[in-house]
Amino acid sequence: DSGVTQTPKHLITATGQRVTLRCSPRSGDLSVYWYQQSLDQGLQFLIQYYNGEERAKGNILERFSAQQFPDLHSELNLSSLELGDSALYFCASSTGQANSPLHFGNGTRLTVT
Amino acid sequence: GDSVTQMEGPVTLSEEAFLTINCTYTATGYPSLFWYVQYPGEGLQLLLKATKADDKGSNKGFEATYRKETTSFHLEKGSVQVSDSAVYFCALSDVQGGSEKLVFGKGTKLTVNP
Repeated sequence: DSGVTQTPKHLITATGQRVTLRCSPRSGDLSVYWYQQSLDQGLQFLIQYYNGEERAKGNILERFSAQQFPDLHSELNLSSLELGDSALYFCASSTGQANSPLHFGNGTRLTVT
Repeated sequence: GDSVTQMEGPVTLSEEAFLTINCTYTATGYPSLFWYVQYPGEGLQLLLKATKADDKGSNKGFEATYRKETTSFHLEKGSVQVSDSAVYFCALSDVQGGSEKLVFGKGTKLTVNP
């Protein structure tokens, strides 16, 4: 058990809809990362937060947004969903120190129909 | 920019066979290197890491040596087990513009048959 909790485990929704994915980091970790994993694109970095502030941005679409709250949990909001957004979305956490390993949650599988 | 290239899978081996999964990287700085493993239905887990040239990371019988001269970090195991069946990701961590960036390879799926 990595200590990172993601909810929900599965999400099925229709095109055009909006969903929110939730992540609770491992106890003591200040940094949260969001990744998208799809068969054709592999593991794509979306965004990183550290202690409530955005620290790094990757290939995140404008339709997607995220935030990290004072209690350090994070939410990833996906809007105007398209079929191509169907993927596994992983949250990971770390202490935020250089070279510290990431601890991944088990992911949220999003299916857009 | 930084990148990681892994050998394409899938890789299928018999139990007790020798495993090598190749990984090479491109980085502007002095990255740390990692291998992560993803078992079916789970998130990625850190398998091993090396933070500087010539370091050897090892865990659960797996090893990888940070080779700066060949920009490589190949994963090896002398005798694989069925329970090693998983997807393996090579990754690098580099500091750019004051922030740390973690870049993953595309992953290599390993299947070990009894």
